Amino acid sequence: DTGVSQDPRHKITKRGQNVTFRCDPISEHNRLYWYRQTLGQGPEFLTYFQNEAQLEKSRLLSDRFSAERPKGSFSTLEIQRTEQGDSAMYLCASSLGHTIYNEQFFGPGTRLTVL
Amino acid sequence: AQKITQTQPGMFVQEKEAVTLDCTYDTSDPSYGLFWYKQPSSGEMIFLIYQGSYDQQNATEGRYSLNFQKARKSANLVISASQLGDSAMYFCAMREATGTGNQFYFGTGTSLTVIP
Repeated sequence: DTGVSQDPRHKITKRGQNVTFRCDPISEHNRLYWYRQTLGQGPEFLTYFQNEAQLEKSRLLSDRFSAERPKGSFSTLEIQRTEQGDSAMYLCASSLGHTIYNEQFFGPGTRLTVL
Repeated sequence: AQKITQTQPGMFVQEKEAVTLDCTYDTSDPSYGLFWYKQPSSGEMIFLIYQGSYDQQNATEGRYSLNFQKARKSANLVISASQLGDSAMYFCAMREATGTGNQFYFGTGTSLTVIP
């Protein structure tokens, strides 16, 4: 399978714990995006990388959130001191370019539940 | 203001019939792209169709077509000959060429149910 993969698919954690999600983009894609999707809403942009550089962060990305893409391949999204409001689907997407016609290819998402 | 507005939270369509899912957008950027994605219950976002702001013709991809009305800022998705497997959430999204330019703005989605 050469699509975008995410791990884990589901994560249940207790409030206050730290969690880390991984995303493996399509191998030749240099751009990688993280989105958050809550129930009944469309995905909301969190951050994106071009190669290993994190070029943009949304205001949604509080200082409890950190993302990395150390070698320009896979990426991790860490949430520290989780809160119940962090419960959501976290989607990763990748694209080959940044022009308006480059669609983003999405992974299956990681569903986070904070108890 | 919302960048993407989808006013139909839920739609029903009879199998083999056509259905139109509405999408309006808001941008002052003359160059932008409009996308439709399908999200089945499994959660993965599946790309369906793309329309560029400068494209003269409406985009088509198999049973999917995009009714692009630039002056009205609408980009409705038309699914012809609906199938049971079309039951899913459908999201309209926009990408602008300038400004923050790299993120997609998504609407709140429309849940489509195909009735046998």
